[in-house]
Amino acid sequence: GENVEQHPSTLSVQEGDSAVIKCTYSDSASNYFPWYKQELGKGPQLIIDIRSNVGEKKDQRIAVTLNKTAKHFSLHITETQPEDSAVYFCAASSSSGGTSYGKLTFGQGTILTVHP
Amino acid sequence: EAGVVQSPRYKIIEKKQPVAFWCNPISGHNTLYWYRQNLGQGPELLIRYENEEAVDDSQLPKDRFSAERLKGVDSTLKIQPAELGDSAVYLCASSLGRAEQFFGPGTRLTVL
Repeated sequence: GENVEQHPSTLSVQEGDSAVIKCTYSDSASNYFPWYKQELGKGPQLIIDIRSNVGEKKDQRIAVTLNKTAKHFSLHITETQPEDSAVYFCAASSSSGGTSYGKLTFGQGTILTVHP
Repeated sequence: EAGVVQSPRYKIIEKKQPVAFWCNPISGHNTLYWYRQNLGQGPELLIRYENEEAVDDSQLPKDRFSAERLKGVDSTLKIQPAELGDSAVYLCASSLGRAEQFFGPGTRLTVL
């Protein structure tokens, strides 16, 4: 099955700095890579995702890059703000046998702290 | 648009007792997922439904866990009997087919 490794486990930055979180995956059939933000006491919230037919995707201060050859993808947050502090999870998913489903396998999470 | 609704939000029980969690997905979402999230870890899939059918329950501990999704809308996840190791957050998510999964707030279970 799929295995997703996420680094670092904790990340502390100053407000305005950039933050980068990296993930690797094992299953070459994976073709969908979402990133979730989870705040204390809440469920994960999708913040950005990328599919295997593109290498990079941006949404305001957030960007995700994908390297299918190396099987890794990264989340980039620029101009960080204190409200970006949360736990971030990467995940990987593949379609299976022509069905409409992709099972999400999550990384272990990164605790991001943005200091004012 | 209302999000995924889960109840209760918190539950404390003693070991060997039964417990049930309820989930109402986003309207129109035919796919529903139950995940378990242990402290400091990412969510792990327990079971996935497409409409009323459980199409992936390979990670569900079937000796004590059961789930149902009658009429293809709401779903209930049950544990009987609960063990100390079942303490976790149980998350429900829904999606429209293979689209993005939207998560509910979860139920935090503590087994004493």
